[in-house]
Amino acid sequence: QQQVKQSPQSLIVQKGGISIINCAYENTAFDYFPWYQQFPGKGPALLIAIRPDVSEKKEGRFTISFNKSAKQFSLHIMDSQPGDSATYFCAADRTGNQFYFGTGTSLTVIP
Amino acid sequence: GAVVSQHPSWVICKSGTSVKIECRSLDFQATTMFWYRQFPKQSLMLMATSNEGSKATYEQGVEKDKFLINHASLTLSTLTVTSAHPEDSSFYICSASQGTGRLYEQYFGPGTRLTVT
Repeated sequence: QQQVKQSPQSLIVQKGGISIINCAYENTAFDYFPWYQQFPGKGPALLIAIRPDVSEKKEGRFTISFNKSAKQFSLHIMDSQPGDSATYFCAADRTGNQFYFGTGTSLTVIP
Repeated sequence: GAVVSQHPSWVICKSGTSVKIECRSLDFQATTMFWYRQFPKQSLMLMATSNEGSKATYEQGVEKDKFLINHASLTLSTLTVTSAHPEDSSFYICSASQGTGRLYEQYFGPGTRLTVT
């Protein structure tokens, strides 16, 4: 059973555009929602994370929007750049328990 | 800060041999370390969770006698793939966490590409 559902599977965005990746979860006990960026042949790197007591968190060009009632959260990448081309994973965690990862989104930003 | 290293970054071994992969937290003490397996263009699959000084907890379907995990210190965990076979070829990634309370962010290593011939 997939604890965290992620969409789309792949995404192509023009340089300067906004990339949006969505995730949904079922377990209301989850209380930590990170996003990871992974380049080919590398391990995932933490990009940004949010806890359910806030509805939005912004760090530079990256924003997480969190909708607790809908059990959804999304990553927005503003002014997308070719260097942002990577695979993005959302995850959900319950207070130090194991992370449940989404299935990943392959983002391609075309010049 | 929060750097995790893995060694080797890639390894090729013959079928039937054993391979050891090291995971180190370089600038923090890792109470908990996690081992993941990732197939091409797929998500990370948690294999096991290890706490320093205790036996690892394996996920369902992961053979603990085949994938030996040792978390000998607060900065080192090892994964040994015993009697490796071609189907064990994969990308293995470890992560480390400071563990308790709100200090449970996982920091990932760069991964180890294992190819079994």
